[in-house]
Amino acid sequence: NAGVTQTPKFRILKIGQSMTLQCTQDMNHNYMYWYRQDPGMGLKLIYYSVGAGITDKGEVPNGYNVSRSTTEDFPLRLELAAPSQTSVYFCASSVPGTKTGELFFGEGSRLTVL
Amino acid sequence: QKEVEQDPGPLSVPEGAIVSLNCTYSNSAFQYFMWYRQYSRKGPELLMYTYSSGNKEDGRFTAQVDKSSKYISLFIRDSQPSDSATYLCAIPYNQGGKLIFGQGTELSVKP
Repeated sequence: NAGVTQTPKFRILKIGQSMTLQCTQDMNHNYMYWYRQDPGMGLKLIYYSVGAGITDKGEVPNGYNVSRSTTEDFPLRLELAAPSQTSVYFCASSVPGTKTGELFFGEGSRLTVL
Repeated sequence: QKEVEQDPGPLSVPEGAIVSLNCTYSNSAFQYFMWYRQYSRKGPELLMYTYSSGNKEDGRFTAQVDKSSKYISLFIRDSQPSDSATYLCAIPYNQGGKLIFGQGTELSVKP
């Protein structure tokens, strides 16, 4: 079991470029999430999905898009990258209906926008 | 006021010390409280969770909730250098699995 796998681990973008952060999980979890983590700011929810074909905005969705065509994959698209999107991005998954909210995280993708 | 607040530290202690990590929250309806541990350049992992008020112990770790003051704590006894990590409190706010995270406290345990 690989768990949650994110690619790439590191990326440098120029302002205005676009890219997709990939996330795949092999635990057959219905729920998946994208968070960003900035120093001293904790984790902020960008988008989440409760199943294939269903996505919804989190706390900080501006500048991002997602899709969920399969249970396993939940890519995050950055359009017109801006310096404010420099951050560490974490994909996570969870089992639906759990009250305790245990999320399983990937190792993160570090993005720098210059 | 943020829904969950946590002192970001950093906190540095000698090996063997008792560590106290704390968060406050604003919504009295919250019932589950979680602590995640995040090693450097890794994703967070669930360490412990508690329900409502009271204590929960797991080895050297104790999670405590005081709902009357909206205060949650994580105590680490006999701290070890391997405990050096960032500790994040987290609260689920619906059954969709969405969590509100504190800012995280960076802990360093010196040998």
